[in-house]
Amino acid sequence: DAGVIQSPRHEVTEMGQEVTLRCKPISGHNSLFWYRQTMMRGLELLIYFNNNVPIDDSGMPEDRFSAKMPNASFSTLKIQPSEPRDSAVYFCASSLALGSSYEQYFGPGTRLTVT
Amino acid sequence: RKEVEQDPGPFNVPEGATVAFNCTYSNSASQSFFWYRQDCRKEPKLLMSVYSSGNEDGRFTAQLNRASQYISLLIRDSKLSDSATYLCVCRSGGSYIPTFGRGTSLIVHP
Repeated sequence: DAGVIQSPRHEVTEMGQEVTLRCKPISGHNSLFWYRQTMMRGLELLIYFNNNVPIDDSGMPEDRFSAKMPNASFSTLKIQPSEPRDSAVYFCASSLALGSSYEQYFGPGTRLTVT
Repeated sequence: RKEVEQDPGPFNVPEGATVAFNCTYSNSASQSFFWYRQDCRKEPKLLMSVYSSGNEDGRFTAQLNRASQYISLLIRDSKLSDSATYLCVCRSGGSYIPTFGRGTSLIVHP
């Protein structure tokens, strides 16, 4: 199994530009999570999808952030326009939410730097 | 008060030492508990689940104290390769959304 795949691994962009992060979850998993991690705030949940439907987006910072999951094998997180304070590592994680079964598998992350 | 609290450390211990971390949670409805490990500049990975009766996996022992609302992780015979950040994770019953602690940093030195 290839695990959770994220792209790009690194992104450096200028303030005001649009940034799109991509995630391919593990095949068969029905839940997908986007997280942001910084030294100051730790790991923050941005949005959670179940069966491609956004269930909880209360962690999305503001309207500049949007996420989609058009099908079970692909999700995007978009920031438009980007700001320096968006600089962080963005992780995508997937899991098979079934009964009491639970384990999240994280992708390698996208390290975003906004200058 | 944060939902899941951990001492950030770092815990600096010599090889072979025994070290323990605690994690407190505020949501009494929490039903599932886990320890994740995160290496520097890497993604978090599940280390072990925490069961009510306590559980062991090799040198690692996890325990749950529901009355005092904390979980613990004990590492025996520390190895250099154990150096990492250990994240405590709690999940409420009926929810698949986990709450992560900020992590405890462990440094094992020769």
